[in-house]
Amino acid sequence: AQSVTQPDIHITVSEGASLELRCNYSYGATPYLFWYVQSPGQGLQLLLKYFSGDTLVQGIKGFEAEFKRSQSSFNLRKPSVHWSDAAEYFCAVLNQAGTALIFGKGTTLSVSS
Amino acid sequence: DVKVTQSSRYLVKRTGEKVFLECVQDMDHENMFWYRQDPGLGLRLIYFSYDVKMKEKGDIPEGYSVSREKKERFSLILESASTNQTSMYLCASSSSLPAIEQYFGPGTRLTVT
Repeated sequence: AQSVTQPDIHITVSEGASLELRCNYSYGATPYLFWYVQSPGQGLQLLLKYFSGDTLVQGIKGFEAEFKRSQSSFNLRKPSVHWSDAAEYFCAVLNQAGTALIFGKGTTLSVSS
Repeated sequence: DVKVTQSSRYLVKRTGEKVFLECVQDMDHENMFWYRQDPGLGLRLIYFSYDVKMKEKGDIPEGYSVSREKKERFSLILESASTNQTSMYLCASSSSLPAIEQYFGPGTRLTVT
């Protein structure tokens, strides 16, 4: 069965430091992969997505993600974190039928000053 | 601008009540989705609809039903609310399948007492 694993439940990063959030997926074919962010009290906002082509994907708010087929990973990165990045981050894969997203359990990011 | 709205941000209901959660999108999208979000579990698909009056069960449909009488509106119904249905409910829509561009509403936090 398809699944998405986010190994880190909670991460704390100092403001200005770099960030990497991990995501591993289980999927037979080439996956459609996504990262969403949810700020407190808000809905989900799409940060970036990968379908095919260049394995390094640029998104909004200075985020990027790299698709590594050999590792079944799609890690999210940002070179310098801002206090406003504190939020919950979800990795997701589109199911095989193409009808819905399968989400990981999320990683909560805290930013310390 | 893309817009998915949900009728209530917060809702408190009693056990056994019939509960309606409403979602409206103004993008003329074919597909609409209901997800449930719980801490530590991420988002899980309850139901989705790919056309008016058409629906498909998601991963956790038990205790829920849905209605889509008009293209822009998708309702989630809890026939007899129970305390284990206390959760955040998120609606989403997409224009086509595969559903690679899903737009999310702000969510309804339902408490069943």
